[in-house]
Amino acid sequence: KAGVTQTPRYLIKTRGQQVTLSCSPISGHRSVSWYQQTPGQGLQFLFEYFSETQRNKGNFPGRFSGRQFSNSRSEMNVSTLELGDSALYLCASSWDGPIQDSPLHFGNGTRLTVT
Amino acid sequence: GESVGLHLPTLSVQEGDNSIINCAYSNSASDYFIWYKQESGKGPQFIIDIRSNMDKRQGQRVTVLLNKTVKHLSLQIAATQPGDSAVYFCAETGYDMRFGAGTRLTVKP
Repeated sequence: KAGVTQTPRYLIKTRGQQVTLSCSPISGHRSVSWYQQTPGQGLQFLFEYFSETQRNKGNFPGRFSGRQFSNSRSEMNVSTLELGDSALYLCASSWDGPIQDSPLHFGNGTRLTVT
Repeated sequence: GESVGLHLPTLSVQEGDNSIINCAYSNSASDYFIWYKQESGKGPQFIIDIRSNMDKRQGQRVTVLLNKTVKHLSLQIAATQPGDSAVYFCAETGYDMRFGAGTRLTVKP
């Protein structure tokens, strides 16, 4: 069974640009969540999607948005990039149901560098 | 506010020794805890979990201990190997999943 796939693996953008990251969950998984990982803040929850609807949202500005498609694939978008957005962006999928029965499976992330 | 944190940012052990990684949590409503391992260039990988109605759970070479009285979680790795070198995170579930800052484990040959 293929794992969570994130594309691209690396991105370099300049301030003010926007970026779109993609995530393909494990087959059969309907929940997709996104995390930002930085050395200073660690792993921080961005948002979670289930059945094409945002179900939970973390404490990030509106420049960060996402969506989920009918095949459960998800994208996240960051507009008006800032230097502080440089981070590893991780996607995780789960089957759904109680988290004790449906742990998160992470992709290897997209490394975004903003110059 | 509520937080999930780790006592030590780095831990260095000799190959073959046992490793203990600690985690403190403050949300008494959390009922499920997970340890993840993250190797360089990869995403976090599930290691072991424990529910709040348990004190101890064992896996292959790993044991998680939960002390609800002092809100403390630990991960014990037996006979640590070079392949165990990674960053280890604890996570708790409440409204969402929150992660500790991580401890970098280095195994010396």
